[in-house]
Amino acid sequence: EPEVTQTPSHQVTQMGQEVILRCVPISNHLYFYWYRQILGQKVEFLVSFYNNEISEKSEIFDDQFSVERPDGSNFTLKIRSTKLEDSAMYFCASSLAGATQYFGPGTRLLVL
Amino acid sequence: QQPVQSPQAVILREGEDAVINCSSSKALYSVHWYRQKHGEAPVFLMILLKGGEQKGHEKISASFNEKKQQSSLYLTASQLSYSGTYFCGTPGAHQGAQKLVFGQGTRLTINP
Repeated sequence: EPEVTQTPSHQVTQMGQEVILRCVPISNHLYFYWYRQILGQKVEFLVSFYNNEISEKSEIFDDQFSVERPDGSNFTLKIRSTKLEDSAMYFCASSLAGATQYFGPGTRLLVL
Repeated sequence: QQPVQSPQAVILREGEDAVINCSSSKALYSVHWYRQKHGEAPVFLMILLKGGEQKGHEKISASFNEKKQQSSLYLTASQLSYSGTYFCGTPGAHQGAQKLVFGQGTRLTINP
């Protein structure tokens, strides 16, 4: 069964460093999302992406964040200058028609 | 505005039943249910699109009352594998690539 994949599974970085989180959505899906989950809390929406542009972004998704679909398969989330509060699990999700979303296994980001 | 789930936590013995509720202060057009095990990604269970709709997945079913702006998830004859945190998600107002706004989650523990 097709699934969303994410790399790396864990990332440790120093405050102020840039990180790039990678996702490979399900191949025929058209809508892509990033969510994050701080330990013990609910899943929060960051950004949605469709037709090579951002559809919607949350207030969390400030100028330090960017997304890109550099080729036909990858979908990336970049954090330019990480802060301690960026430590969280980051989930990529994809959807065929904008309804049911399938989540990847996540990248656990720890900012020191 | 996030949906509100109740209860926050449930502890059951294997074979017992549980009900998890999800309510919203704004009009609901669909409700998505996910289960998340510790350290893993949320796994899609079901989506309810119409008022009055009921669906089932294994021995897990759900109902959606559009008028009351609420949905309930029913777990019957619970199994150990049902343990996890259950989230309901409701689409944001944006059309198309609909973000999901998740409730705070209900932690379900099944003991042998």
